[in-house]
Amino acid sequence: DTGVSQNPRHKITKRGQNVTFRCDPISEHNRLYWYRQTLGQGPEFLTYFQNEAQLEKSRLLSDRFSAERPKGSFSTLEIQRTEQGDSAMYLCASSSFSGSIGIQYFGAGTRLSVL
Amino acid sequence: GQSLEQPSEVTAVEGAIVQINCTYQTSGFYGLSWYQQHDGGAPTFLSYNALDGLEETGRFSSFLSRSDSYGYLLLQELQMKDSASYFCAVRDPRVQGGKLIFGQGTELSVKP
Repeated sequence: DTGVSQNPRHKITKRGQNVTFRCDPISEHNRLYWYRQTLGQGPEFLTYFQNEAQLEKSRLLSDRFSAERPKGSFSTLEIQRTEQGDSAMYLCASSSFSGSIGIQYFGAGTRLSVL
Repeated sequence: GQSLEQPSEVTAVEGAIVQINCTYQTSGFYGLSWYQQHDGGAPTFLSYNALDGLEETGRFSSFLSRSDSYGYLLLQELQMKDSASYFCAVRDPRVQGGKLIFGQGTELSVKP
């Protein structure tokens, strides 16, 4: 197992376009998280899945953002009608239900630039 | 609300010891985690303290005092590769399943 994988690593898009990011968690992990990180800041929570159920969404996640985790495996995060303020690093993390609640395994992220 | 405070920058020389402090305010507490992030890289878990005291993992140690809502990360025998950002994090007690709240991060620069 190679850890949490995110694709693409970089995405440049024009304002108003839709973008979709993919996250493949560690295979035996049933918990999956999306965070957003801007320069000089810590990661900010966006949403959380346990298996295929989306159990928590941040108020940061406007109606332009949607996340799915069909079949409880990989997850996708879609941003519709992108805005310049959406430019950030989007991080995915996973953990196991039985694991320590303080330990999450992060992917390298997708860096989004909205022009 | 939940918040964490840590210094924004720390500079030290190779071979030295550095301590990165973190104070937190939470309505409930399940432990303090530390993550390391190199430029352009993924945050990587370093250490977790659920109880008071010191946890040691090689050159890195982490300390927690729940009565003071305070913890620190101690890095010994600093190496150039330790130059990175270090984040403390707590679990949001209002959310089942481990949503983490991160501090703003401390950028550590190790000089030769």
